[in-house]
Order: sequence, then C-alpha cells, then structure tokens
Amino acid sequence: AQTVTQSQPEMSVQEAETVTLSCTYDTSESNYYLFWYKQPPSRQMILVIRQEAYKQQNATENRFSVNFQKAAKSFSLKISDSQLGDTAMYFCAFMSGGSNYKLTFGKGTLLTVNP
Amino acid sequence: KAGVTQTPRYLIKTRGQQVTLSCSPISGHRSVSWYQQTPGQGLQFLFEYFSETQRNKGNFPGRFSGRQFSNSRSEMNVSTLELGDSALYLCASSFAGGLTDEQFFGPGTRLTVL
Repeated sequence: AQTVTQSQPEMSVQEAETVTLSCTYDTSESNYYLFWYKQPPSRQMILVIRQEAYKQQNATENRFSVNFQKAAKSFSLKISDSQLGDTAMYFCAFMSGGSNYKLTFGKGTLLTVNP
Repeated sequence: KAGVTQTPRYLIKTRGQQVTLSCSPISGHRSVSWYQQTPGQGLQFLFEYFSETQRNKGNFPGRFSGRQFSNSRSEMNVSTLELGDSALYLCASSFAGGLTDEQFFGPGTRLTVL
C-alpha cells in the first residue's frame, strides 16, 4: 500500500519570502504521479503542481516548484515570493497506475503567510 | 466551463438517519471520485465511478454506497448515520480518472451528525 507523509502540520512565512513544504512517500511501483493540492480556507481544493515519476526534471509552475528526489522518495514544494493568497492547507498526494484511480493524500500542512 | 458542483453544501442529520449527497462533474468528465475529509483522518478515498461503473472502493463500511448516472452525475448515500460520519465530503471529476487526467474538486458537502 502506498503512504504519503507530511511531517509539518503547520508552517508560517513572511510575505515575499520563500518556504518549503516537505513530503515523503512510500511505494513499490514505478509508474506514478505526485501532486501538490492547495485548499484555501472555505474554498475548493485546486491542483498546484504535479510531477511524473519518469521525468527527472523538477516541475515548475510560476512561483511554485518541486524538488523530486526519487531514490529518497521525497517530494517537496517550494513557494517563492509568498503572497497572502498562498495561505491555505497544502496536501501532497500520490496516484499510481496500480492504485486504480485513487489519490492517496498526506495529512496536510497548514501554511500561513503573514504580512 | 462550469466547475464541479455539489449539493447540498451543508447538512445536519441525527444518528440513525440516512443521507444522499450529489455531485455534478464538469461537462465531458466521465470519472467521479468521492473523498471523506476529517481533521483526524485527513482525506480518505471512498469510491470512484466511470461510465456508471464502480471501479474502486475504499475501506469504508457498507453503509457508504454510491452510484453514477448516464449523464455522469454521481450520488453517494450513507445509511444509519453515526457521529463519526461528520465530515466534509468532496467529490472530484476528471476526463477518465487516469494518471494523466487532472482531478477537479468540488466545494464539498459539510455533513454534521448530531
């Protein structure tokens, strides 16, 4: 069974600074995707960024980038130039070819961006 | 394009009752998944439907059931409600539910069981 672990329940950062959220996962499969989802307070969960396991290059989406370390099974999210609107719960998630259409989520990290 | 919609947004029920939640996916999406979100257990997978067929089911008791209609709309039903069923129930839709398909989440239905 796959597991996803987020070891930081809460983090805070000052506006305009950079913050890194950690995620580790465990799987024996080779074909999988990793995701970071953002759930703002009382708002819908949205996809921030995703990474295919076969791609060595780290994914980047504007101010969001990942550090994918396949051998270490680590998938961290870096947010640059943090903005107040980045305040949200962030979930790391995993889906594999063998997981039968199921996303497995970590427990989440509550990120607060302070002015 | 309209997003994923869920109705109702809030529900209050008492123990022993049953409840039906509805999810309308994005137009053209045929896969609908359901997740239960609680502070203690986080996000847990309930089930996934594609073209009216359940393709996967999570580790929930038989009181939790679902179905999907020919227009891809999905419902989930919880019978004999327990206090522990209080949660935010999220549905997500995607084109076919595969690895390369982005999943779009709805706003959720907040269920409170008294």
